[in-house]
Amino acid sequence: VQLVQSGTEVKKPGSSVKVSCKASGGTLSSHAIMWVRQAPGQGLECLGGLIPMLRSPKYAQKFQARVTISADESTNTAYMEMNRLRSEDTALYYCARGYDILTGNYSGFDLWGQGTMVTVSS
Amino acid sequence: DVVMTQSPLSLSVSPGEPASISCRSSLSLLHSNGYNYVDWFLQKPGQSPQLLISLGSTRAPGVSDRFSGSGSGTDFTLTISKLEAEDVGVYYCMQARQTPFTFGPGTKVEIK
Repeated sequence: VQLVQSGTEVKKPGSSVKVSCKASGGTLSSHAIMWVRQAPGQGLECLGGLIPMLRSPKYAQKFQARVTISADESTNTAYMEMNRLRSEDTALYYCARGYDILTGNYSGFDLWGQGTMVTVSS
Repeated sequence: DVVMTQSPLSLSVSPGEPASISCRSSLSLLHSNGYNYVDWFLQKPGQSPQLLISLGSTRAPGVSDRFSGSGSGTDFTLTISKLEAEDVGVYYCMQARQTPFTFGPGTKVEIK
């Protein structure tokens, strides 16, 4: 199983971006999905996540107003959309798949996408 | 949000020597089920993060037994028993006790 993310994006300030994350050879439906970003030379920052079958995304308060996390169970694809982009949103965006709620056991986030570079520049 | 801190922020260790990284949280990560919801990741240069340890001390499948996690409540430690060249990178702790999940600032480990 691998997570395959969409390609590099270059956006203008004030615009929106939607990044996809497809599970190839596996499913997302009952797994926790987390979106994380990493600004150039910086650490990891969690934007939020969801469990697709529960359809209840949760967001870091910092991103609550600008980020929408969703998933399409029929295509095993998760999405992260960010609006009103600013230069500070320039970063590598990762999706990660974690524990399966159907097993009842937390086992961390052991499957990560390759990252999608989003550059915001006028 | 739960604040995670790490120390040291950088570490230079000779091959074969042990290395230890401390992680502290602003909130107890101990759940009523007895598990501590803290994970450890390694991000090697140019790569995506990889899970090393979950629930404070459970090694992820395929992770070398040179890596071990310990601690409870608000104080945790990742120990590498004998550092190898392939272990270089940035190590992050992450709390999964409360949403949003939050990461520590990272500890950069280099070979001396």
